[in-house]
Amino acid sequence: EAGVAQSPRYKIIEKRQSVAFWCNPISGHATLYWYQQILGQGPKLLIQFQNNGVVDDSQLPKDRFSAERLKGVDSTLKIQPAKLEDSAVYLCASSLDPTGYGNFGNGTRLTVT
Amino acid sequence: DAKTTQPTSMDCAEGRAANLPCNHSTISGNEYVYWYRQIHSQGPQYIIHGLKNNETNEMASLIITEDRKSSTLILPHATLRDTAVYYCIVRVPYYGGATNKLIFGTGTLLAVQP
Repeated sequence: EAGVAQSPRYKIIEKRQSVAFWCNPISGHATLYWYQQILGQGPKLLIQFQNNGVVDDSQLPKDRFSAERLKGVDSTLKIQPAKLEDSAVYLCASSLDPTGYGNFGNGTRLTVT
Repeated sequence: DAKTTQPTSMDCAEGRAANLPCNHSTISGNEYVYWYRQIHSQGPQYIIHGLKNNETNEMASLIITEDRKSSTLILPHATLRDTAVYYCIVRVPYYGGATNKLIFGTGTLLAVQP
């Protein structure tokens, strides 16, 4: 079975620019998560989707971050405008349902200069 | 905040068993213990989970104390490829148990030595 696909693998932007990350979950997985992992820390949940609806976005900085999962499959996470402290790895994970364990992609490493 | 405490780092000799401890003294009765690992430049990989009983799969064994306040992940024969950060996580249910949240701590860096 194909795993969770993420792109791009790496991205370098200047502060105040915009950036978008894409995630394709495992086929049939209804639950999708976006995590932020700052160097030296564990992943932190940003947002959780169930199909195309948001279950939890309490940790998402909504003034600059947005995410969507329009058709209940692929998802995009956007940052606009980026700040230096947004430099991190952005991980996408999916599971069959909200009670299942998450299968993670390899992430997008974002560097903001 | 993470509900677990783990040592920052551990070493293990190749071929020997690696025993990774975790304290979760505030765990509630319906909260599972999950273990993930993260190899450098990869996403976290699920290893095993349990509620009360000890569990074993092809990757590892999970030993949970009777009072559920601590657990140990055992890799029976560690190899160099097991070098990774190991996260012990208490999975917190919310919305009446309809969904769950994984709150990662900083984990234990296991270095398997040749």
